[in-house]
Amino acid sequence: EDQVTQSPEALRLQEGESSSLNCSYTVSGLRGLFWYRQDPGKGPEFLFTLYSAGEEKEKERLKATLTKKESFLHITAPKPEDSATYLCAVQGGGADGLTFGKGTHLIIQP
Amino acid sequence: ETGVTQTPRHLVMGMTNKKSLKCEQHLGHNAMYWYKQSAKKPLELMFVYNFKEQTENNSVPSRFSPECPNSSHLFLHLHTLQPEDSALYLCASSQDLVGYTFGSGTRLTVV
Repeated sequence: EDQVTQSPEALRLQEGESSSLNCSYTVSGLRGLFWYRQDPGKGPEFLFTLYSAGEEKEKERLKATLTKKESFLHITAPKPEDSATYLCAVQGGGADGLTFGKGTHLIIQP
Repeated sequence: ETGVTQTPRHLVMGMTNKKSLKCEQHLGHNAMYWYKQSAKKPLELMFVYNFKEQTENNSVPSRFSPECPNSSHLFLHLHTLQPEDSALYLCASSQDLVGYTFGSGTRLTVV
């Protein structure tokens, strides 16, 4: 059974204070690891897909990395508008859907 | 319209009511999904439709009944729900089971 664990559950940072969110996973035959951003009352918004260990992707202040056991979402010099819940999900070889973690609730204070 | 559209955005229903949630995707994808999001819990996959055929049903109670009349539309029919079924119901679509796009969800409250 595919499993995803995200840490920390919640994180409060000052504006400009860089940090990383962790996503640990176990999966049978990784087809993809996904990062989403979710704002209150809205559906998840796609950020990145990573397919193999060593892969990295960047978008504005966000950078996602992948190893064989975990993924990190690095946030550099965050702004208040980066406040959201960040979700990590995996798709295994035998699955037709995604397995999600509980998410990290990120708050960036001005 | 673009993306994945869900209606209604909010729904309050009694335990004896029958209602339906609607999802429409404008992306030309060939797979559609229903997910349930409850407080403090991860998103839970409920149903998968791949090329209009249901390929997965994750032990969902029969009071939830999906319908996929074509590759662009997906419904979730609800009847005799329980208060613990109150949640955000999310629809998603993908192409070849990869690269999921989510709708904004329907916030369901069962009273």
